[in-house]
Amino acid sequence: QVQLVESGGGLVKPGGSLRLSCTASGFTFSDYYMSWIRQAPGKGLEWFGFISDRGDIAYYADSVRGRFTISRDNAKNSLYLHMSSLRAEDTAVYYCARWRVRASDHWGQGTLVTVSS
Amino acid sequence: QTVVTQEPSFSVSPGGTVTLTCGLSSGSVSSTYYPSWYQQTPGQTPRMLIYNTNTRSSGVPDRFSGSIVGNRAALTITGAQADDECDYYCVLDLGGGTVLFGGGTKLTVL
Repeated sequence: QVQLVESGGGLVKPGGSLRLSCTASGFTFSDYYMSWIRQAPGKGLEWFGFISDRGDIAYYADSVRGRFTISRDNAKNSLYLHMSSLRAEDTAVYYCARWRVRASDHWGQGTLVTVSS
Repeated sequence: QTVVTQEPSFSVSPGGTVTLTCGLSSGSVSSTYYPSWYQQTPGQTPRMLIYNTNTRSSGVPDRFSGSIVGNRAALTITGAQADDECDYYCVLDLGGGTVLFGGGTKLTVL
């Protein structure tokens, strides 16, 4: 079955950087676009980016553009999120999700990123 | 700035029918925006219910259905059950790499 497992979350200081990983299994990873979605504590969901199946195209929401970079390694069935210039408002649970027919059909369990001094 | 709008809260009686809607701050929602719907119980990972306006995800009971009603996307739940009480989010893919979540609707079953 489809499984997505995020890792790499933790506590980081404002202005710092962090890289999240998402390891996929149970499907042909290289056939699918992949997305990142986050949820701040007690708040709603926010889509903020996705990457094409070959990794040659990535789209970002205005809230993260220029600070976050999405990449992937299809040989390792892995998706990455490099976050820099982190702010307190980036504190959230970060989910990776498979993107299919313009929707996120399978989600990981999420990893918590806390930005605080 | 375009915003996807949802009712902040809604209540339904057990066994009743409820329709949650999803609109755009500017313009109408159509199937060209591929509306999708997600269910999230507190502390849990969201689960996709509906994609491409009205296609149920695998394993989703047919009590859940999606449609376009007027100028909004809609999620209808028939025969509401206690465990339907949670948050529901819609998503619109506006194209050009712009994907927006609605603010979510908190559904109460009582």
